[in-house]
This record gives sequence, structure tokens and C-alpha cells, in this order.
Amino acid sequence: EDKVVQSPLSLVVHEGDTVTLNCSYEVTNFRSLLWYKQEKKAPTFLFMLTSSGIEKKSGRLSSILDKKELFSILNITATQTGDSAVYLCAVPGDSGSARQLTFGSGTQLTVLP
Amino acid sequence: EADIYQTPRYLVIGTGKKITLECSQTMGHDKMYWYQQDPGMELHLIHYSYGVNSTEKGDLSSESTVSRIRTEHFPLTLESARPSHTSQYLCASSELRSGGGYTFGSGTRLTVV
Repeated sequence: EDKVVQSPLSLVVHEGDTVTLNCSYEVTNFRSLLWYKQEKKAPTFLFMLTSSGIEKKSGRLSSILDKKELFSILNITATQTGDSAVYLCAVPGDSGSARQLTFGSGTQLTVLP
Repeated sequence: EADIYQTPRYLVIGTGKKITLECSQTMGHDKMYWYQQDPGMELHLIHYSYGVNSTEKGDLSSESTVSRIRTEHFPLTLESARPSHTSQYLCASSELRSGGGYTFGSGTRLTVV
């Protein structure tokens, strides 16, 4: 059974701080790992990672994958209050010909002014 | 604009009523999904579909049913709503061959009183 574990579960920082969110996974047939940001409604897609050691970057957010150690990190530098959200990590499974996402429980990030 | 739409956004209904949550996507995606999410909890897959006339149950047992008569439409029905069905329901879609990158709808927050 595919498994995704995120840590920490909850994080409170002040604006300007840098945070690192962790995601470890166990999956039968690894294809990719995805990061989502969830605010009040549906998750919004951030990154898809398929290769080890290649950093993906979008503004103040960046993410990297380690396929040997089976984990990924999401970094947010110079945090802002608008970064407050739940950050979800997910891996696509492989059940027959269908592929569904297995999500972690998320990291609740709160950025204080 | 290509997107995925869910209606209604919020629904408060009495016990025993029949309800249908609507989900439509204009991206031509073959695969569609329904997830259930309680506040602060991870997403759980309840139904998925590979294409027209294909539906499968997901990881989380659910008393709901789904249908896929048209590619773009994937409604979820509860024949007799109960308070235990109170939750957020998220619809998503993806391309058949994608390794990730799901597109989510805005969700329906259901409250059964």
C-alpha cells in the first residue's frame, strides 16, 4: 500500500522566516511526487518532481526530490502571511490501469505578521 | 476557459434527503475522481472513473454512488443523506497518461442536519 508521511504537522513562523517542509513516501512504482497548496478551497498545484537532485523553483518556493532516500522537501524563503496554508504532498499510485493520488496529511503553515 | 466546476459550493440539507453533487470539466480529461476531506484531515479517494461508463470505488468506503455517462460530467449522489456524510467533497480530473498534475474543483461543503 502506498504511503506518504509529512512533517511537521503544524508550523508557526514569523514573516521573513524560511521554512522547510518534509515529505517521505513509499510507493510500489514511483512515477512522480507532487506538492499542492491548500487554502480555503481546493488544493492548487505547485510542483511535480520526477528526477532526483533537480530543484524546481517558483518565486520563493522551491522543491527537490531524493529518490534514493525516498523523500522530498519544500522550501519557502522570506515567508509572507499569504503563504499560510496547508501544504500537501502526494504520489500517484498504480492500481491496474488507473492512477490515483495518495496524499499525506499535510503541513499546516501559519505565518504571523 | 478550460476548468473543472463543482456545484453547489455549500449545501445544508436534512437527514434522509437525496442529493447530487455536480462536477463538470471542460479539459477533455478521461479520468475523474471524487475525494472526501474532513477539516484538517487528508484527502480520501471515494470514487474514480477511467472514462465513459467506467466507475470504481476508491480507498474510503462511501455510501455514495457515481455515474459517467459523458466524458465531461461525473456527478456524485447520496440516496439518503445522514449527519455522518457532513464533509467537503472535492472533484478532480487528469489526463489518461499523466503521471500526476491533477486539476481540482473548488469543492462542495456538505452539511447534513
